[in-house]
Amino acid sequence: DVKVTQSSRYLVKRTGEKVFLECVQDMDHENMFWYRQDPGLGLRLIYFSYDVKMKEKGDIPEGYSVSREKKERFSLILESASTNQTSMYLCASSFARVTGYTFGSGTRLTVV
Amino acid sequence: EDQVTQSPEALRLQEGESSSLNCSYTVSGLRGLFWYRQDPGKGPEFLFTLYSAGEEKEKERLKATLTKKESFLHITAPKPEDSATYLCAVQQTGSARQLTFGSGTQLTVLP
Repeated sequence: DVKVTQSSRYLVKRTGEKVFLECVQDMDHENMFWYRQDPGLGLRLIYFSYDVKMKEKGDIPEGYSVSREKKERFSLILESASTNQTSMYLCASSFARVTGYTFGSGTRLTVV
Repeated sequence: EDQVTQSPEALRLQEGESSSLNCSYTVSGLRGLFWYRQDPGKGPEFLFTLYSAGEEKEKERLKATLTKKESFLHITAPKPEDSATYLCAVQQTGSARQLTFGSGTQLTVLP
């Protein structure tokens, strides 16, 4: 089975800190995604990548950036964390264009 | 704009009481519709993919169906362990690789 691993389950950061969320998948999937999930708003796409060094903005990219230097790793960066970025962050990967995602377990980030 | 709407937002059932969850969608062209199950504090877990109207998929007590405008997730004789949030997502035709998700239905099955 494909495994998508997110480096932290829980994180607490201070306002203004630079935050890195790491995601690694082990099945050579070309596509990787970052979503955030908030009550009542569902999953919203932040960024995705379909190849090394390639990235595309999702629906809510403001305040975030991403990095994909290797095929298996996709990092989400909060340049200057703010309290409205407190959320559950979910990483996912998929193969080609016609398959669904495999999700990681999520990182619950709290910005204080 | 692509939209995915799930109803109801929350559903409470007695053990053994069958019911259905609804996912209605508006996309310019549907490549696939996906159902996921999500337990509290965890990432969504894949259940089904449906590609064309009339298609049905089954897994244990769950059955997913698809029409041109909506999908249903039927739960037959549910058990407490079926309690979870069920998410629907669509992928449109063309170059899109990403999924658009609904807000989910939170299902509680009481013993």
